[in-house]
Amino acid sequence: GAVVSQHPSRVICKSGTSVKIECRSLDFQATTMFWYRQFPKQSLMLMATSNEGSKATYEQGVEKDKFLINHASLTLSTLTVTSAHPEDSSFYICSARVETGVPPFNSPLHFGNGTRLTVT
Amino acid sequence: GNSVTQMEGPVTLSEEAFLTINCTYTATGYPSLFWYVQYPGEGLQLLLKATKADDKGSNKGFEATYRKETTSFHLEKGSVQVSDSAVYFCALNSGGYQKVTFGIGTKLQVIP
Repeated sequence: GAVVSQHPSRVICKSGTSVKIECRSLDFQATTMFWYRQFPKQSLMLMATSNEGSKATYEQGVEKDKFLINHASLTLSTLTVTSAHPEDSSFYICSARVETGVPPFNSPLHFGNGTRLTVT
Repeated sequence: GNSVTQMEGPVTLSEEAFLTINCTYTATGYPSLFWYVQYPGEGLQLLLKATKADDKGSNKGFEATYRKETTSFHLEKGSVQVSDSAVYFCALNSGGYQKVTFGIGTKLQVIP
């Protein structure tokens, strides 16, 4: 159980276009999802926390207008990279945790398989 | 704030060697600690976790013990296999916060 599906796994787009990445919790509901960006030396950067039915919370330094996040249902969050540029090329990973009603700090995150974005 | 310090890799070992990847942390309150593993081209998977002091998490031959006195959560395996080649992330969250703090990740390469 607790599967997070991310789509697409790879996408190549031209500079200036927009790309949408979907993150779905397949067998559980998630009011909160997290979007990460992974850099070449493997470090993970939390970009934003996606909240169902409300605005996402962005980390410092992440451009809200460039990385649009929508969390319209309890099982789907989307990240749209707008007006993509080559420097946006990266590996983007979403995650969510099963919310059981007890404090969340005991619950591990479940990750999607990531999306490799290449902007040409 | 919370932080996780993890040894930088890559760590290269021969098959059947003993593995230790060090992880230390600073956190407010009483954090839960995790090790995640990332295989090439994939997202992260939970490897093991520990939620209180002296707990030992274990899975697939890997172990880590929550040491509050040394604020550490070192990952160990007695005999690594080529299939263990991956990136390993130490992580924590605490205080009921949603966000998870990750270490930088340690790349492990196991050679036959």
